[in-house]
Amino acid sequence: DVKVTQSSRYLVKRTGEKVFLECVQDMDHENMFWYRQDPGLGLRLIYFSYDVKMKEKGDIPEGYSVSREKKERFSLILESASTNQTSMYLCASSQLDKDYGYTFGSGTRLTVV
Amino acid sequence: AQSVSQHNHHVILSEAASLELGCNYSYGGTVNLFWYVQYPGQHLQLLLKYFSGDPLVKGIKGFEAEFIKSKFSFNLRKPSVQWSDTAEYFCAVNAHNYGQNFVFGPGTRLSVLP
Repeated sequence: DVKVTQSSRYLVKRTGEKVFLECVQDMDHENMFWYRQDPGLGLRLIYFSYDVKMKEKGDIPEGYSVSREKKERFSLILESASTNQTSMYLCASSQLDKDYGYTFGSGTRLTVV
Repeated sequence: AQSVSQHNHHVILSEAASLELGCNYSYGGTVNLFWYVQYPGQHLQLLLKYFSGDPLVKGIKGFEAEFIKSKFSFNLRKPSVQWSDTAEYFCAVNAHNYGQNFVFGPGTRLSVLP
């Protein structure tokens, strides 16, 4: 069974901390994505990557960065966490042929206090 | 820019009632269309998808959706809902010249009363 694994289900961090959210997929997918999910706003794209070492800004990249050193791993970094970054973070991956859709991880619920 | 709207924020139905969730998108070119479902405490799962051919597509668990190109719509339907269909439903669109990214709607929460 194909899988996207996010390292933490729940995280609580303090304002100003540097936060790392990890995502690993075992499907040899080329594309990986980070979204945040907020009530009433749906999923908003933060960053995405179509290949190793490649990254592109999504719709709401401010306050975030990413790293993709290996094909299977895509990390989201909050440089200095703020309370407005409290959210559910979802990682997804897809094949180059996007007709197959995304496979999502279970999500990381981050609370910044 | 692409955008996706979903008509209802929260829908409440009794078991055996029929369901229709609306989805409209703004992009005028060739699109791929998807419905995802998120059951309480679970990750998002693909319900069904359309990328060509018959505009009426069937998905898992008795769901279907109809693509009406002239209305830029992709509404989700189920003739008779069950309590287990309680979930949040997201419509997503990918435009063929927009790369690999999907744009998601804000979601519709469905509550089915037993």
